Amino acid sequence: GAVVSQHPSRVICKSGTSVKIECRSLDFQATTMFWYRQFPKQSLMLMATSNEGSKATYEQGVEKDKFLINHASLTLSTLTVTSAHPEDSSFYICSARADRGIGQPQHFGDGTRLSIL
Amino acid sequence: QQQVKQSPQSLIVQKGGISIINCAYENTAFDYFPWYQQFPGKGPALLIAIRPDVSEKKEGRFTISFNKSAKQFSLHIMDSQPGDSATYFCAASRNTGTASKLTFGTGTRLQVTL
Repeated sequence: GAVVSQHPSRVICKSGTSVKIECRSLDFQATTMFWYRQFPKQSLMLMATSNEGSKATYEQGVEKDKFLINHASLTLSTLTVTSAHPEDSSFYICSARADRGIGQPQHFGDGTRLSIL
Repeated sequence: QQQVKQSPQSLIVQKGGISIINCAYENTAFDYFPWYQQFPGKGPALLIAIRPDVSEKKEGRFTISFNKSAKQFSLHIMDSQPGDSATYFCAASRNTGTASKLTFGTGTRLQVTL
């Protein structure tokens, strides 16, 4: 149980392109989803927290107009990297949690490797 | 207040040995401490977690030891196997309210040799 699917697993695109990444909870309803960014050999950096039906909360230093997050249903959140540039190349990982935080762990997807040429 | 410090950065253990990874936190409001295992190119997978009302939790070969007064917790992997070779992250959070977020340690790359 508690499977989180992330798609696509890898994206290679040209500079200036917008890229959408999907995160789905397959066997539970995710009230809260999180988006992380991870550079090689480094820890996970939280970008934003999204709750179903409301606007995402972005961490300090993360551009909300650059990284658009939509959490339209209890099983789907999307991250759109708008007008991507080479410095946006990274490993993006989502996680999902079943309720509003009390007693439930975060379950992670397998990440999306984004490469901007 | 939000930091979680993890050590060592890397660890090499022989097959059958004990792997020990340590973490220390500063925020006394943290009340949930999970460990995650991450293989290359994959997302982190929850391994084991502990709350501060117990000092130890064991699941199979994995044990968390928790010292509330010292604000430290550690992961012990008994009978380490080559398949345990991965990066391990400790984390901590306040498990209350809608804004509870995980604060991750910097990670430990474990290599188990034959």
